[in-house]
Amino acid sequence: AQKVTQAQTEISVVEKEDVTLDCVYETRDTTYYLFWYKQPPSGELVFLIRRNSFDEQNEISGRYSWNFQKSTSSFNFTITASQVVDSAVYFCALSEAPPNTGNQFYFGTGTSLTVIP
Amino acid sequence: KAGVTQTPRYLIKTRGQQVTLSCSPISGHRSVSWYQQTPGQGLQFLFEYFSETQRNKGNFPGRFSGRQFSNSRSEMNVSTLELGDSALYLCASSLGPSGTYEQYFGPGTRLTVT
Repeated sequence: AQKVTQAQTEISVVEKEDVTLDCVYETRDTTYYLFWYKQPPSGELVFLIRRNSFDEQNEISGRYSWNFQKSTSSFNFTITASQVVDSAVYFCALSEAPPNTGNQFYFGTGTSLTVIP
Repeated sequence: KAGVTQTPRYLIKTRGQQVTLSCSPISGHRSVSWYQQTPGQGLQFLFEYFSETQRNKGNFPGRFSGRQFSNSRSEMNVSTLELGDSALYLCASSLGPSGTYEQYFGPGTRLTVT
């Protein structure tokens, strides 16, 4: 079973539209971390956000916002007023912390976002 | 501050050969993780090194190995290359153990096995 599911493979939006990227995760750990990364066409992954399992407070950073809901095991990412520069593949990731073995890191399959001017 | 650097950026090898990839982390970072990215399998965790010790390993065969030096630089080795090893290999560094610290990724090494 997938630890991290990003059901949306590709999304296209017109510039200035809002878009939400879905992420559903699966873990039995009580302590874990969730991440979002952006991979622009240049290829280099860029860190966007990290949340730990004890902090369900939603976060906003400029046009980006994240909604973490433990009840539904989701960590969704919304881009408000999208811009062409937002076009990239976005990855959601989960890090578990099993005892004595370090962190297990799992990435979703990514959502390719295209913002049309 | 210089970012994560990976060498070489591109590599072409033939089946059966072995290859060594190098990663220099951001100065001060002690953790280096390696990932394989392919169109079919996506991003998969290979292993992580922290203070010269392998901290964790993903589900890859023993042909994939790595090490970390005292200056935190890391190398990844793949022996007896197979066609399926063709991928983008990404290295990421962080101040401390990955998962609890932000990871910064390098540009990757594109390996093609023919």
